[in-house]
Amino acid sequence: AQKITQTQPGMFVQEKEAVTLDCTYDTSDPSYGLFWYKQPSSGEMIFLIYQGSYDQQNATEGRYSLNFQKARKSANLVISASQLGDSAMYFCAMREGMSSYKLIFGSGTRLLVRP
Amino acid sequence: GAGVSQSPRYKVAKRGQDVALRCDPISGHVSLFWYQQALGQGPEFLTYFQNEAQLDKSGLPSDRFFAERPEGSVSTLKIQRTQQEDSAVYLCASSLARGTDTQYFGPGTRLTVL
Repeated sequence: AQKITQTQPGMFVQEKEAVTLDCTYDTSDPSYGLFWYKQPSSGEMIFLIYQGSYDQQNATEGRYSLNFQKARKSANLVISASQLGDSAMYFCAMREGMSSYKLIFGSGTRLLVRP
Repeated sequence: GAGVSQSPRYKVAKRGQDVALRCDPISGHVSLFWYQQALGQGPEFLTYFQNEAQLDKSGLPSDRFFAERPEGSVSTLKIQRTQQEDSAVYLCASSLARGTDTQYFGPGTRLTVL
């Protein structure tokens, strides 16, 4: 089974609107971490936001927030007030286990922001 | 401060050639990772270093792949006798202390094997 599933290969959003990128995960380990990275055409993976499995509140970082629904095993990324520079690939990733270091990535979602 | 840097950014190799890809992690970062990203997919783990020690190389696809970090800073990923299926982007990441800290990635090296 896929550990990280991103079901939206591509998304469009109008500039200044909010957009939600979906991510579901599969693990039986009670301790895990969830990450979102942005990959623009330049290739670099840019860290956006992190959510730990024991965190009580949803993570937020500026215009990025993570809608963490533990029972549903989903960790959707919400980008508010989209900007043209947000056009990129977005990857959801998981680290399983307290001492794990490997990141397991989904297949990504390509976001295109329309002016 | 400077981020993770990788060189070369692009490499074209003929099948059967050896290649060496370099990674300069963020200064002071103890942990270093290599990932392979095939076209249209997410990155996949290759190997992990803590200082100069290679603690995990379980993701290396074959014995043609070899990574080193002799002084605990710069790392080199070497691929011997390259094959077409080795064509991918090779990403390096580093984290401050433990491997469980947030990983910061470099821009990658795009390897094309003809």
